[in-house]
Amino acid sequence: EDQVTQSPEALRLQEGESSSLNCSYTVSGLRGLFWYRQDPGKGPEFLFTLYSAGEEKEKERLKATLTKKESFLHITAPKPEDSATYLCAVQASGNTGKLIFGQGTTLQVKP
Amino acid sequence: DSGVTQTPKHLITATGQRVTLRCSPRSGDLSVYWYQQSLDQGLQFLIQYYNGEERAKGNILERFSAQQFPDLHSELNLSSLELGDSALYFCASSIGDFSGNTIYFGEGSWLTVV
Repeated sequence: EDQVTQSPEALRLQEGESSSLNCSYTVSGLRGLFWYRQDPGKGPEFLFTLYSAGEEKEKERLKATLTKKESFLHITAPKPEDSATYLCAVQASGNTGKLIFGQGTTLQVKP
Repeated sequence: DSGVTQTPKHLITATGQRVTLRCSPRSGDLSVYWYQQSLDQGLQFLIQYYNGEERAKGNILERFSAQQFPDLHSELNLSSLELGDSALYFCASSIGDFSGNTIYFGEGSWLTVV
């Protein structure tokens, strides 16, 4: 069964304190791994798609990496506005684009 | 703004009632997805339509149904509502019908069943 597990569930950082979020997955043929940011009561906001092991993508203070079993979202020198829930999702092989989501990591960055 | 539009934003209704949630995909997107998000379940895939045809089904209850119209907008119908149906319902869209396409989410419809 395709599954996504994110850790930690919650993370508190001081402003400027870098860290990483983990996304472990088991999927029958990975077509893509997605990272989204979600603010309370809002829809998930697309951040990155990674397609193959070794791939990396960056956006401002965020960098996503992918291996054959997991993905990391590295946050460098975070700011309070980076506080949100970060969701990881996978697309499996097949004729559908449906995403299977993890439970998310809720990040709080204190000034 | 993702370009995916959902209405209504908030809805309060009684148990046993029926509601319809509406979604307009991003311009040019042919696929529409519906997801349910509750506190204890996270984001759960319900159903996908591509260019008017059902493409994939998740754990969607028999009381729920959806369709995609010729103008590509989609509706999710929820009937015989129960308290446990209270959740955020998201619509998402993508250009193509399967993997590799980025999926963009709307802001959601918050359903409260009392």
